[in-house]
Amino acid sequence: GAVVSQHPSRVICKSGTSVKIECRSLDFQATTMFWYRQFPKQSLMLMATSNEGSKATYEQGVEKDKFLINHASLTLSTLTVTSAHPEDSSFYICSAREQRGVGTEAFFGQGTRLTVV
Amino acid sequence: AQKITQTQPGMFVQEKEAVTLDCTYDTSDQSYGLFWYKQPSSGEMIFLIYQGSYDEQNATEGRYSLNFQKARKSANLVISASQLGDSAMYFCAMREAPGNTPLVFGKGTRLSVIA
Repeated sequence: GAVVSQHPSRVICKSGTSVKIECRSLDFQATTMFWYRQFPKQSLMLMATSNEGSKATYEQGVEKDKFLINHASLTLSTLTVTSAHPEDSSFYICSAREQRGVGTEAFFGQGTRLTVV
Repeated sequence: AQKITQTQPGMFVQEKEAVTLDCTYDTSDQSYGLFWYKQPSSGEMIFLIYQGSYDEQNATEGRYSLNFQKARKSANLVISASQLGDSAMYFCAMREAPGNTPLVFGKGTRLSVIA
C-alpha cells in the first residue's frame, strides 16, 4: 500500500538553531500534504497544508516565518523549524493521500520527535 | 465548536472482551468521511477503519467495526476480542467535502487492555 516516509524520527537541537523535517510519499504522487503537531497526551493539531508548487496554507496561530514549508515536488514536502526554542519541542507528523475523494485514508509518516535544549 | 468529540479519555477492557470507543461528530456537509486511527506509544498513526456518510452498511475490518448512527452523528468503534497489543491511543477523525481537505481529529481515547 501507499507509504509515507518521514525523516528524521528523532532530533535534538540547540536553542536558536533550525531543524528540517522531510516527508516523502514513496509510491504515489501527493499534490497536497498536511503537517500536524502533537503535544504529549494531546491530539493532532493541523499546522499547515502543503501544496506542491505553491505557498503553504497555515492554520490560525501558526507562525509561517517560524515553520517554513516547502513542497518542491510531488513526492516531497519539508518543514523547517527556524530558530527553534524549547517550546517548539513536540511531535511533528505529516500525512498525504493519493486521491481527492473524502473516502481515501490518509497515510502518515512515522513522525519526528523534536527536542530543543 | 468541536467537530469531533471523544468523551472517554481512558478506557480499560479485559483481554478477549469487546470494547466500544465513542465518537460523535458535527458537520453540515452531506458528504463526509469518518476514520479511526490507532496510535501506539511509538507515535505512528495506523489506519483502522473508514465509514462514508453515504454508506448504508456499517464498516467492518477484521476485529474492528464501526457503529455508524447518522441521525445521532455518532461513529463508535467496536473492537472485538481485545488483545494486549490493542493498548494504544485511538483517534476518531473526519474529513468533509471537498475531498482534498485535512483530517480533523478528536482528542483521543487511551485504551488499556488488561490480561
